[in-house]
Amino acid sequence: GQQVMQIPQYQHVQEGEDFTTYCNSSTTLSNIQWYKQRPGGHPVFLIQLVKSGEVKKQKRLTFQFGEAKKNSSLHITATQTTDVGTYFCAGPRAQKLVFGQGTRLTINP
Amino acid sequence: NAGVTQTPKFRILKIGQSMTLQCTQDMNHNYMYWYRQDPGMGLKLIYYSVGAGITDKGEVPNGYNVSRSTTEDFPLRLELAAPSQTSVYFCASSYSTHSGNTIYFGEGSWLTVV
Repeated sequence: GQQVMQIPQYQHVQEGEDFTTYCNSSTTLSNIQWYKQRPGGHPVFLIQLVKSGEVKKQKRLTFQFGEAKKNSSLHITATQTTDVGTYFCAGPRAQKLVFGQGTRLTINP
Repeated sequence: NAGVTQTPKFRILKIGQSMTLQCTQDMNHNYMYWYRQDPGMGLKLIYYSVGAGITDKGEVPNGYNVSRSTTEDFPLRLELAAPSQTSVYFCASSYSTHSGNTIYFGEGSWLTVV
């Protein structure tokens, strides 16, 4: 079945450094979504990408959807302590949304 | 502006006990889901429902049961609780999985089985 793999599993950075997490699917996706989960919190929707090669920005966050619609990335420029949390990508499969394992980001202030 | 509401937020169960996690949403979403998240891990789908009267198994359904008698409610039943069911449980809902429809999560229910 469709799997969504996410790397790295963990990332620790100094505040101000950049951060990137990558998401790869075994099959072509109609869309991909990104969620953020703060420590002790619940996942919250960040963005959805639909088009091949699409790039979207939210302030310091840049999201990309690959040309083949099988991979995606989230890049954070100049991380801040408020960026701490786990970032999940998710792609639809039949009537479900399949989540990647998540990348846990910790930041040294 | 309630969204997805789960109760209880915290619960300690003894091995072999049963309980029901309640979930209700006020967004008129067709799809509802139950996920579990073990410490430091990702989200695993337990059960999901695409509408009232319809439920289906996810990745890890063993030890759980669900029902969907109304659009709003999607309770999760744990029968004969085991320590392996210690986890955080998230209920979620969406219109569908098609483009433009995102999942809204409840705040989670922390369950410990001792």
